[in-house]
Amino acid sequence: KAGVTQTPRYLIKTRGQQVTLSCSPISGHRSVSWYQQTPGQGLQFLFEYFSETQRNKGNFPGRFSGRQFSNSRSEMNVSTLELGDSALYLCASSLTGASTEAFFGQGTRLTVV
Amino acid sequence: TQLLEQSPQFLSIQEGENLTVYCNSSSVFSSLQWYRQEPGEGPVLLVTVVTGGEVKKLKRLTFQFGDARKDSSLHITAAQPGDTGLYLCAGSVRTDSWGKLQFGAGTQVVVTP
Repeated sequence: KAGVTQTPRYLIKTRGQQVTLSCSPISGHRSVSWYQQTPGQGLQFLFEYFSETQRNKGNFPGRFSGRQFSNSRSEMNVSTLELGDSALYLCASSLTGASTEAFFGQGTRLTVV
Repeated sequence: TQLLEQSPQFLSIQEGENLTVYCNSSSVFSSLQWYRQEPGEGPVLLVTVVTGGEVKKLKRLTFQFGDARKDSSLHITAAQPGDTGLYLCAGSVRTDSWGKLQFGAGTQVVVTP
């Protein structure tokens, strides 16, 4: 069965632009979580979606947003990009999101210049 | 401050040696997971432990969850170069954490032939 698919794998954007990242979870998984990974902060939780609803949110500014579609695919958007937003963005899928096993995609490497 | 403290931060050993990575917290976790991550890729789930005192073996890897569910360890026997990677522990503090995993900073393991 196919794993978690994230697109694109790499992205270079300019400060002030916005970006949209996509995540397709494992078939049958309804929970999608997003994480930001940087060398200094490690993996930080952004938000989680289940059945098109955001159920949990981390401590990130409002420039970071997301949504989930009826087929469980999810997108995250970052507006007004800053240099500090450069990171590996990871999506994780799980059956229900309630302390269940999470499976990660390969990530999207975002570089802001 | 990381909720989960991993030690050591870096481990370099020769092929055939054994190693142990520790993951400690002052919080009780409903479940704890271990991942291995390679550069530029997403974390790959190795194991999930949910019961205090639980021991799980995966070939040469042995995972232990502390009785109080506050700590865990990963032991690798006769390490091989293919074991090289960043080992991450992650846990859910509550069963209704909705997709939010708390991650340790990781232990970089390098196994040289």
